[in-house]
Amino acid sequence: RKEVEQDPGPFNVPEGATVAFNCTYSNSASQSFFWYRQDCRKEPKLLMSVYSSGNEDGRFTAQLNRASQYISLLIRDSKLSDSATYLCVVNDRARFGAGTRLTVKP
Amino acid sequence: EAGVAQSPRYKIIEKRQSVAFWCNPISGHATLYWYQQILGQGPKLLIQFQNNGVVDDSQLPKDRFSAERLKGVDSTLKIQPAKLEDSAVYLCASSLGLGANGNTIYFGEGSWLTVV
Repeated sequence: RKEVEQDPGPFNVPEGATVAFNCTYSNSASQSFFWYRQDCRKEPKLLMSVYSSGNEDGRFTAQLNRASQYISLLIRDSKLSDSATYLCVVNDRARFGAGTRLTVKP
Repeated sequence: EAGVAQSPRYKIIEKRQSVAFWCNPISGHATLYWYQQILGQGPKLLIQFQNNGVVDDSQLPKDRFSAERLKGVDSTLKIQPAKLEDSAVYLCASSLGLGANGNTIYFGEGSWLTVV
């Protein structure tokens, strides 16, 4: 079993839609999680941290479910500019998921 | 503040040749990572250094890949001999400290390798 698993998608959604991604991790002792965004042919860049209590940044909400060992990213009111690949990382082990590709269409 | 610097940005080599990539992390960052990212996949950790010591190299193909960070600052990743399946982007990253402490990982722009 991979340490970090993500649904690769692609997710194709219309502008204004709400979309959610999940990422599961295998090591129950993991403590630190982040979401990254990667644009085509660019390096990954930090999107947001994931806290046990949840974390909201504008249209983006990240959550951690320790009991089920997954983290989630919710994007509300999708914009064309949100089109990218979203990567989760178990920071303790510096292990990234395979990425979920999102395309937002007009 | 300067980011993670990598060179060369692009490299094309023939199979069985060797190649080396260089990385200079963000100033003051003790932890340095090398990742391999094949098109359509997530970054795969090859090796992680804390200062000049190796923290994790469990996924490094040691028969052909080597990496060093002798003075605890910049680092070199070498592939010898290269195979076709090594065609990928090699991403260097750094963080202030270990990831378990919540330290953000910052990436360089990557070195794009094509093996023909």
